[in-house]
Amino acid sequence: AQSVTQLGSHVSVSEGALVLLRCNYSSSVPPYLFWYVQYPNQGLQLLLKYTTGATLVKGINGFEAEFKKSETSFHLTKPSAHMSDAAEYFCAVSDREDSSYKLIFGSGTRLLVRP
Amino acid sequence: DGGITQSPKYLFRKEGQNVTLSCEQNLNHDAMYWYRQDPGQGLRLIYYSQIVNDFQKGDIAEGYSVSREKKESFPLTVTSAQKNPTAFYLCASSYYNEQFFGPGTRLTVL
Repeated sequence: AQSVTQLGSHVSVSEGALVLLRCNYSSSVPPYLFWYVQYPNQGLQLLLKYTTGATLVKGINGFEAEFKKSETSFHLTKPSAHMSDAAEYFCAVSDREDSSYKLIFGSGTRLLVRP
Repeated sequence: DGGITQSPKYLFRKEGQNVTLSCEQNLNHDAMYWYRQDPGQGLRLIYYSQIVNDFQKGDIAEGYSVSREKKESFPLTVTSAQKNPTAFYLCASSYYNEQFFGPGTRLTVL
């Protein structure tokens, strides 16, 4: 069965510092990979996804993630944090052999940005 | 504008009552999903539907029921059999492998 692990339930960075949110997955076949962002009491918004092709994926708001098959990882980065990046971030996977496209989520990482 | 709407935004239920959460989409997506979100646990799949008049249980279906009579609508009923229903409920629809989420309904049991 697939699973997703997000290391660190809370990450705190200073404004302008590098953001690194970690995500590792467990799957016999490399899955589709996603990062979503959630602001308080709102739904989820897709930041970026990896399905095939280039392993470095660029998303919205300056975020990017790199799929590393050998490490079964899909870490999310942003070179310079902004106060507006403070939110909860979820990594998710979907089995590419399952046509239902169900998502399995990690437990989330809350990003705090210090002024 | 195309999107997913959920209503109500906040819902309060007395113990022993059934309540129904609404989810509507005008994206013409075939597949729809219901997730439950609890603090520190991420999102967990309750039910999903890939086509009208068909739906499947997810990981935590006990105490919930759904229907899919129209492509646009996928209501979720939280029954009295659900022992701990207080949570944030999110509906989604998908275009191939990408899911789009509604704004959520926060259910509180009094």
